[in-house]
Amino acid sequence: DAGVIQSPRHEVTEMGQEVTLRCKPISGHDYLFWYRQTMMRGLELLIYFNNNVPIDDSGMPEDRFSAKMPNASFSTLKIQPSEPRDSAVYFCASSLRDSRPGELFFGEGSRLTVL
Amino acid sequence: DAKTTQPPSMDCAEGRAANLPCNHSTISGNEYVYWYRQIHSQGPQYIIHGLKNNETNEMASLIITEDRKSSTLILPHATLRDTAVYYCIVGGNQFYFGTGTSLTVIP
Repeated sequence: DAGVIQSPRHEVTEMGQEVTLRCKPISGHDYLFWYRQTMMRGLELLIYFNNNVPIDDSGMPEDRFSAKMPNASFSTLKIQPSEPRDSAVYFCASSLRDSRPGELFFGEGSRLTVL
Repeated sequence: DAKTTQPPSMDCAEGRAANLPCNHSTISGNEYVYWYRQIHSQGPQYIIHGLKNNETNEMASLIITEDRKSSTLILPHATLRDTAVYYCIVGGNQFYFGTGTSLTVIP
Protein backbone atom coordinates (compact mmCIF):
# COMPACT_ATOMS: atom_id res chain seq x y z
CA ASP A 1 0.00 0.00 0.00
CA ALA A 2 1.23 3.48 -0.82
CA GLY A 3 0.25 4.89 2.55
CA VAL A 4 -1.50 8.19 3.15
CA ILE A 5 -0.74 10.59 0.33
CA GLN A 6 -0.82 14.34 0.82
CA SER A 7 -0.40 17.13 -1.67
CA PRO A 8 1.15 19.56 -2.12
CA ARG A 9 4.21 18.80 0.01
CA HIS A 10 5.12 22.47 0.11
CA GLU A 11 3.03 25.54 -0.58
CA VAL A 12 4.04 29.17 -0.40
CA THR A 13 1.28 31.70 -0.86
CA GLU A 14 0.43 35.26 -0.06
CA MET A 15 -1.95 36.45 2.59
CA GLY A 16 -5.51 36.49 1.37
CA GLN A 17 -5.12 33.68 -1.11
CA GLU A 18 -7.11 30.46 -0.98
CA VAL A 19 -5.20 27.32 -0.04
CA THR A 20 -6.40 23.77 -0.67
CA LEU A 21 -4.62 20.80 0.86
CA ARG A 22 -5.42 17.31 -0.32
CA CYS A 23 -5.31 13.88 1.25
CA LYS A 24 -5.77 10.37 -0.04
CA PRO A 25 -6.20 7.93 2.86
CA ILE A 26 -5.18 4.30 2.85
CA SER A 27 -7.71 2.25 0.92
CA GLY A 28 -10.30 0.68 3.20
CA HIS A 29 -9.66 2.92 6.17
CA ASP A 30 -12.80 4.36 7.72
CA TYR A 31 -11.40 7.24 9.79
CA LEU A 32 -9.60 10.31 8.54
CA PHE A 33 -7.96 12.99 10.66
CA TRP A 34 -6.53 16.43 9.88
CA TYR A 35 -3.84 17.83 12.17
CA ARG A 36 -1.85 21.06 12.20
CA GLN A 37 1.63 21.34 13.72
CA THR A 38 3.48 24.48 14.74
CA MET A 39 6.37 25.08 17.11
CA MET A 40 4.19 27.11 19.41
CA ARG A 41 1.11 24.91 19.60
CA GLY A 42 2.45 21.45 18.79
CA LEU A 43 0.25 18.93 17.01
CA GLU A 44 -3.39 20.01 17.03
CA LEU A 45 -6.35 17.93 15.91
CA LEU A 46 -8.49 20.01 13.57
CA ILE A 47 -11.23 17.64 12.45
CA TYR A 48 -11.90 13.97 11.91
CA PHE A 49 -14.26 11.98 9.72
CA ASN A 50 -15.83 8.55 10.05
CA ASN A 51 -17.09 6.95 6.84
CA ASN A 52 -16.80 10.34 5.10
CA VAL A 53 -18.94 12.11 7.72
CA PRO A 54 -17.38 14.86 9.87
CA ILE A 55 -17.61 13.76 13.48
CA ASP A 56 -15.83 16.49 15.40
CA ASP A 57 -14.65 19.79 13.95
CA SER A 58 -14.18 21.58 17.26
CA GLY A 59 -10.48 21.95 16.54
CA MET A 60 -10.99 23.97 13.39
CA PRO A 61 -9.61 27.38 14.38
CA GLU A 62 -12.15 29.59 12.64
CA ASP A 63 -14.57 29.90 9.77
CA ARG A 64 -11.75 30.44 7.33
CA PHE A 65 -11.01 26.73 7.63
CA SER A 66 -13.21 24.09 6.04
CA ALA A 67 -12.76 20.37 5.38
CA LYS A 68 -14.62 17.98 3.15
CA MET A 69 -14.55 14.30 2.39
CA PRO A 70 -16.64 13.73 -0.74
CA ASN A 71 -15.74 10.04 -0.90
CA ALA A 72 -13.75 7.41 0.94
CA SER A 73 -10.58 8.07 -1.03
CA PHE A 74 -10.25 11.83 -0.90
CA SER A 75 -10.39 14.72 1.55
CA THR A 76 -9.56 18.41 1.34
CA LEU A 77 -8.71 21.08 3.87
CA LYS A 78 -9.32 24.57 2.61
CA ILE A 79 -8.22 27.89 4.06
CA GLN A 80 -9.88 30.99 2.65
CA PRO A 81 -8.56 33.62 3.04
CA SER A 82 -5.16 32.51 4.31
CA GLU A 83 -3.21 34.48 6.91
CA PRO A 84 0.46 34.36 7.99
CA ARG A 85 -0.52 32.69 11.28
CA ASP A 86 -1.82 29.73 9.28
CA SER A 87 1.76 28.83 8.39
CA ALA A 88 2.29 25.30 9.67
CA VAL A 89 2.68 21.69 8.65
CA TYR A 90 -0.67 20.07 8.03
CA PHE A 91 -0.89 16.31 8.46
CA CYS A 92 -3.57 13.93 7.34
CA ALA A 93 -3.95 10.51 8.95
CA SER A 94 -6.24 7.56 8.44
CA SER A 95 -7.12 4.49 10.45
CA LEU A 96 -9.16 1.32 10.34
CA ARG A 97 -10.89 1.44 13.66
CA ASP A 98 -12.28 -2.04 14.06
CA SER A 99 -9.21 -4.11 13.33
CA ARG A 100 -6.42 -1.69 14.26
CA PRO A 101 -7.88 0.66 16.91
CA GLY A 102 -5.65 3.57 17.73
CA GLU A 103 -3.19 2.97 14.94
CA LEU A 104 -3.20 6.12 12.86
CA PHE A 105 -1.18 6.20 9.66
CA PHE A 106 0.11 9.66 8.89
CA GLY A 107 1.04 11.23 5.61
CA GLU A 108 4.26 13.14 5.10
CA GLY A 109 2.52 16.44 5.64
CA SER A 110 1.96 19.63 3.68
CA ARG A 111 4.17 22.52 4.73
CA LEU A 112 2.29 25.79 4.26
CA THR A 113 3.93 29.19 4.32
CA VAL A 114 1.71 32.25 4.11
CA LEU A 115 3.61 35.46 3.43
CA ASP B 1 -10.17 12.06 26.52
CA ALA B 2 -7.85 12.10 29.50
CA LYS B 3 -4.88 14.44 29.74
CA THR B 4 -1.30 13.17 29.82
CA THR B 5 1.88 14.59 31.34
CA GLN B 6 5.33 13.78 30.00
CA PRO B 7 8.80 15.17 30.72
CA PRO B 8 9.80 17.61 27.98
CA SER B 9 13.14 15.99 27.24
CA MET B 10 15.36 13.02 28.03
CA ASP B 11 18.76 11.70 27.03
CA CYS B 12 19.78 8.08 26.65
CA ALA B 13 23.09 6.46 25.82
CA GLU B 14 23.17 4.42 22.65
CA GLY B 15 22.64 0.74 23.37
CA ARG B 16 21.01 1.35 26.71
CA ALA B 17 17.32 1.06 27.51
CA ALA B 18 15.27 4.23 27.18
CA ASN B 19 12.42 4.48 29.67
CA LEU B 20 9.89 7.17 28.85
CA PRO B 21 7.29 7.89 31.53
CA CYS B 22 3.76 9.20 31.14
CA ASN B 23 1.22 10.22 33.76
CA HIS B 24 -2.48 9.87 32.97
CA SER B 25 -4.16 10.05 36.36
CA THR B 26 -7.60 10.88 34.94
CA ILE B 27 -7.77 7.87 32.64
CA SER B 28 -11.12 6.13 32.61
CA GLY B 29 -11.73 2.42 32.61
CA ASN B 30 -12.18 1.90 28.91
CA GLU B 31 -9.51 4.25 27.63
CA TYR B 32 -6.41 2.83 25.99
CA VAL B 33 -2.87 4.18 26.29
CA TYR B 34 -1.18 4.80 22.94
CA TRP B 35 2.40 5.75 22.13
CA TYR B 36 3.59 7.45 18.96
CA ARG B 37 6.85 8.99 17.92
CA GLN B 38 7.77 11.70 15.45
CA ILE B 39 11.17 11.73 13.87
CA HIS B 40 12.28 15.18 12.75
CA SER B 41 9.60 16.60 10.47
CA GLN B 42 7.97 13.33 9.46
CA GLY B 43 4.42 12.36 10.35
CA PRO B 44 3.97 10.64 13.71
CA GLN B 45 4.43 6.89 13.75
CA TYR B 46 2.41 4.45 15.86
CA ILE B 47 4.51 2.42 18.31
CA ILE B 48 2.30 0.45 20.68
CA HIS B 49 -0.87 0.58 22.75
CA GLY B 50 -2.38 -1.15 25.75
CA LEU B 51 -5.34 -1.19 28.12
CA LYS B 52 -4.34 -2.95 31.33
CA ASN B 53 -1.72 -5.55 30.59
CA ASN B 54 1.86 -4.91 29.63
CA GLU B 55 2.48 -5.14 25.92
CA THR B 56 5.51 -5.84 23.77
CA ASN B 57 6.11 -5.69 20.07
CA GLU B 58 9.11 -5.47 17.78
CA MET B 59 9.61 -1.80 18.52
CA ALA B 60 9.05 -1.39 22.25
CA SER B 61 7.45 -2.53 25.49
CA LEU B 62 4.65 -0.78 27.32
CA ILE B 63 4.34 -1.08 31.08
CA ILE B 64 1.07 0.15 32.59
CA THR B 65 0.75 0.46 36.36
CA GLU B 66 -1.93 -1.54 38.11
CA ASP B 67 -4.01 1.59 38.84
CA ARG B 68 -3.51 2.63 35.20
CA LYS B 69 -2.57 6.16 36.23
CA SER B 70 0.83 6.00 34.59
CA SER B 71 2.77 4.06 32.02
CA THR B 72 6.30 3.67 30.72
CA LEU B 73 7.45 3.10 27.19
CA ILE B 74 10.66 1.09 27.03
CA LEU B 75 12.99 1.02 24.06
CA PRO B 76 15.24 -1.89 25.10
CA HIS B 77 18.36 -0.98 23.14
CA ALA B 78 18.20 2.61 21.96
CA THR B 79 19.88 3.54 18.70
CA LEU B 80 20.63 6.92 17.19
CA ARG B 81 17.61 6.45 14.93
CA ASP B 82 15.36 6.41 17.99
CA THR B 83 16.03 10.12 18.53
CA ALA B 84 12.55 11.59 18.20
CA VAL B 85 9.65 13.16 20.04
CA TYR B 86 7.56 10.51 21.81
CA TYR B 87 3.88 11.12 22.48
CA CYS B 88 1.71 9.38 25.03
CA ILE B 89 -2.01 9.55 24.24
CA VAL B 90 -4.95 8.35 26.24
CA GLY B 91 -8.40 7.82 24.82
CA GLY B 92 -9.49 6.46 21.54
CA ASN B 93 -11.60 8.87 19.59
CA GLN B 94 -9.95 12.18 19.00
CA PHE B 95 -6.29 11.28 19.55
CA TYR B 96 -5.00 14.51 21.04
CA PHE B 97 -1.22 14.75 20.96
CA GLY B 98 0.41 16.71 23.78
CA THR B 99 3.89 18.17 23.68
CA GLY B 100 5.58 14.81 24.12
CA THR B 101 9.09 13.93 25.27
CA SER B 102 12.03 14.79 23.08
CA LEU B 103 14.38 11.82 23.36
CA THR B 104 17.99 12.27 22.33
CA VAL B 105 20.09 9.13 21.97
CA ILE B 106 23.72 9.97 22.59
CA PRO B 107 26.54 8.03 20.88
